[in-house]
Amino acid sequence: DQQVKQNSPSLSVQEGRISILNCDYTNSMFDYFLWYKKYPAEGPTFLISISSIKDKNEDGRFTVFLNKSAKHLSLHIVPSQPGDSAVYFCAALPWGNTGKLIFGQGTTLQVKP
Amino acid sequence: SAVISQKPSRDICQRGTSLTIQCQVDSQVTMMFWYRQQPGQSLTLIATANQGSEATYESGFVIDKFPISRPNLTFSTLTVSNMSPEDSSIYLCGGGMELGNTIYFGEGSWLTVV
Repeated sequence: DQQVKQNSPSLSVQEGRISILNCDYTNSMFDYFLWYKKYPAEGPTFLISISSIKDKNEDGRFTVFLNKSAKHLSLHIVPSQPGDSAVYFCAALPWGNTGKLIFGQGTTLQVKP
Repeated sequence: SAVISQKPSRDICQRGTSLTIQCQVDSQVTMMFWYRQQPGQSLTLIATANQGSEATYESGFVIDKFPISRPNLTFSTLTVSNMSPEDSSIYLCGGGMELGNTIYFGEGSWLTVV
């Protein structure tokens, strides 16, 4: 029972273009969502998050959009850079369950120079 | 963000042995967690490490297999007991701050059981 799904295992984008990573969830009790980036041989690094009371959060080149009615969120990276090449995990936090992150399977982003 | 350090970063272990992973966090962190990422899989919460008391385990994880200690606010250990090849994973220590929703992770401990 995968409550958080990242249906695209991989994505390839040209440098300078926009990268869009998608995430779907099934549990309406999730009230906080996070994106992490993971390089090989390193732990996940927190990127950006969004509360369920918002529909957009922006931090520099990274923007996360939340569509609660569709139970869908996306991470936009613009412009994409070769250093953005990594595995990106979407994670959701059920209300009242601090620390109990539910992760998606991850999407491997490759940004080509 | 929080500073979270783990060791060992990598180890190759013999079947049937046990290995203890240590995690040190900075003083901003009040909550500590242990996650696992099996090969090709997503990250899964093993347990919440509670200071001075027994950890809170998630479904599918038991104390006999994954004993956890947290003797003080900034230090925790996870032991993987009686290891089998199925325990080959990345074990990640996570830390969160009071009233915060973000979990920060250490570098991970990559265990290979042969």
